[in-house]
Amino acid sequence: AQKVTQAQTEISVVEKEDVTLDCVYETRDTTYYLFWYKQPPSGELVFLIRRNSFDEQNEISGRYSWNFQKSTSSFNFTITASQVVDSAVYFCALRGSGGGADGLTFGKGTHLIIQP
Amino acid sequence: GAGVSQSPRYKVAKRGQDVALRCDPISGHVSLFWYQQALGQGPEFLTYFQNEAQLDKSGLPSDRFFAERPEGSVSTLKIQRTQQEDSAVYLCASSLGGATNEKLFFGSGTQLSVL
Repeated sequence: AQKVTQAQTEISVVEKEDVTLDCVYETRDTTYYLFWYKQPPSGELVFLIRRNSFDEQNEISGRYSWNFQKSTSSFNFTITASQVVDSAVYFCALRGSGGGADGLTFGKGTHLIIQP
Repeated sequence: GAGVSQSPRYKVAKRGQDVALRCDPISGHVSLFWYQQALGQGPEFLTYFQNEAQLDKSGLPSDRFFAERPEGSVSTLKIQRTQQEDSAVYLCASSLGGATNEKLFFGSGTQLSVL
């Protein structure tokens, strides 16, 4: 069985602070894919990143960065110099390759509030 | 259209009624997924289509749930004899190719309330 845990239900920071959203996953597959999606109040999930299990390089995209560590089964997401527009619910998700269901397994999400 | 379109945006049904939720994926997208999102939770996978073929329906919670994509484009999720526990947001997503590990494009969802 696959599982994604986002232990932080809600985080509130003041604008311009850095913030890290945690994601811990469980899978028995040796090949798997990890994702982050953003869900603003409009409800439409927006893709942020996909990382496969063979690529442990950290990635930076503007103010966003991701830290993938297989040793701790974590795929954390950091926003640097947060902005009010970053306020949303963020979901970490997992897709294995071992013949399970074809859909993504999502965590419960972290509600990020950026206060001006 | 430019994105994934779902209709209606909101649906209120009386317990026992049948409902049909529509999804228009991005034109040319091969894969189409349905997810159910309960309040305060992450989306949960319901079913997957590759073109018109329903390759995975393992997430459908009961035989009251039925999905189709007859011409490989528009999809309909039907719920028969709705119950209160069916109240949720139903999300549709599509992706360009036939692999299930690709970037997904989501619609804004249909919020279903069963009274």
